[in-house]
Amino acid sequence: GNSVTQMEGPVTLSEEAFLTINCTYTATGYPSLFWYVQYPGEGLQLLLKATKADDKGSNKGFEATYRKETTSFHLEKGSVQVSDSAVYFCALTGTASKLTFGTGTRLQVTL
Amino acid sequence: NAGVTQTPKFRILKIGQSMTLQCTQDMNHNYMYWYRQDPGMGLKLIYYSVGAGITDKGEVPNGYNVSRSTTEDFPLRLELAAPSQTSVYFCASRGNFIQGGNQPQHFGDGTRLSIL
Repeated sequence: GNSVTQMEGPVTLSEEAFLTINCTYTATGYPSLFWYVQYPGEGLQLLLKATKADDKGSNKGFEATYRKETTSFHLEKGSVQVSDSAVYFCALTGTASKLTFGTGTRLQVTL
Repeated sequence: NAGVTQTPKFRILKIGQSMTLQCTQDMNHNYMYWYRQDPGMGLKLIYYSVGAGITDKGEVPNGYNVSRSTTEDFPLRLELAAPSQTSVYFCASRGNFIQGGNQPQHFGDGTRLSIL
């Protein structure tokens, strides 16, 4: 079956530091890949997506590239802010567009 | 545009009680989903629906039931609440494939449920 593996958190960074959150996946076929973000006390919000190999999703300074050869979809941001503190989930689609999620990575950004 | 609306936001139940978590969406989405999120874990799919009158089990359906009598509503029922069902429950919906391929899921704000 499909699976998503994310790096364990928490990840603690100083403001303006570079962020990488690793995500690798196992899937049959050609899934779409997503990053969702969850702020405290809220539901999940789509951050970015990529639907085919070599696509780069980007939003709010975050980027991730769909790498089929390494089955990866790592999330990056060049300069994080305190407001980026949240839990980030990598996910992929399967049949009936069911999402398979990673366990989430908590990011804490300090001044 | 309200998106996906879940009620209630919080609830405490006693063991053995029953309740229904409500979920409604106003985007005319065919696909709807129920997930649970346990502390430090990702989301696990409980049930999903690909359209009115059609439901199917996800990864963790035991102890739950759903119905989909309309496109808008997808309630989740707990018949005999157990402590293991203490969790945060999220409802989500997704547009039809014909509307643009792999569309993302839109999530509600969640229902925090405690079984004591």
